[in-house]
Amino acid sequence: DGGITQSPKYLFRKEGQNVTLSCEQNLNHDAMYWYRQDPGQGLRLIYYSQIVNDFQKGDIAEGYSVSREKKESFPLTVTSAQKNPTAFYLCASSASSGTSGRLLAKNIQYFGAGTRLSVL
Amino acid sequence: EDKVVQSPLSLVVHEGDTVTLNCSYEVTNFRSLLWYKQEKKAPTFLFMLTSSGIEKKSGRLSSILDKKELFSILNITATQTGDSAVYLCAVSSNTGKLIFGQGTTLQVKP
Repeated sequence: DGGITQSPKYLFRKEGQNVTLSCEQNLNHDAMYWYRQDPGQGLRLIYYSQIVNDFQKGDIAEGYSVSREKKESFPLTVTSAQKNPTAFYLCASSASSGTSGRLLAKNIQYFGAGTRLSVL
Repeated sequence: EDKVVQSPLSLVVHEGDTVTLNCSYEVTNFRSLLWYKQEKKAPTFLFMLTSSGIEKKSGRLSSILDKKELFSILNITATQTGDSAVYLCAVSSNTGKLIFGQGTTLQVKP
């Protein structure tokens, strides 16, 4: 089945520790995204990647890092510099991030099931 | 600054009721507006709207966009308990990124 797989479902971080959240897709999508969801705040963009070996900061990138070495994988590391990491993290992908008329349908983002990160 | 605002933030109805969820936006270089349904975990795609006045429909759900007044509505008729979820509105601009609203939490009681 095609889709986006996030792991683990639940993750606990100790103070000062870096943790890595996995996101894998087999949809052959070019673009991938990481969001953070806090209660009452909707989804906020952390990082995104439009193509392999390239990524850009989103609105709340501080304390996070990513890599995009393979098309199907976009792992997110929550570093010790992120002082308030407790949240629900969602990964998404889209066929394209293009914005011209005929590419808009490929701009639809599809989401994984999320990872809930808590601090011990 | 680009922003998307949804209202109401939460709503409780009974089965069979009709609900209307609102999404207003101020986004430079608007490209499309998307609705998602989130039940516990992964948001699932409902509609993408790009043109004013054209209704998108899927079963009991329908949505329409007004690009002049900068808003969209999502209608759900004959609600069922399975419609209980958070409904997310997002707008894309020429950057290709999505800007999300806070979401509307809908609870449908039997």
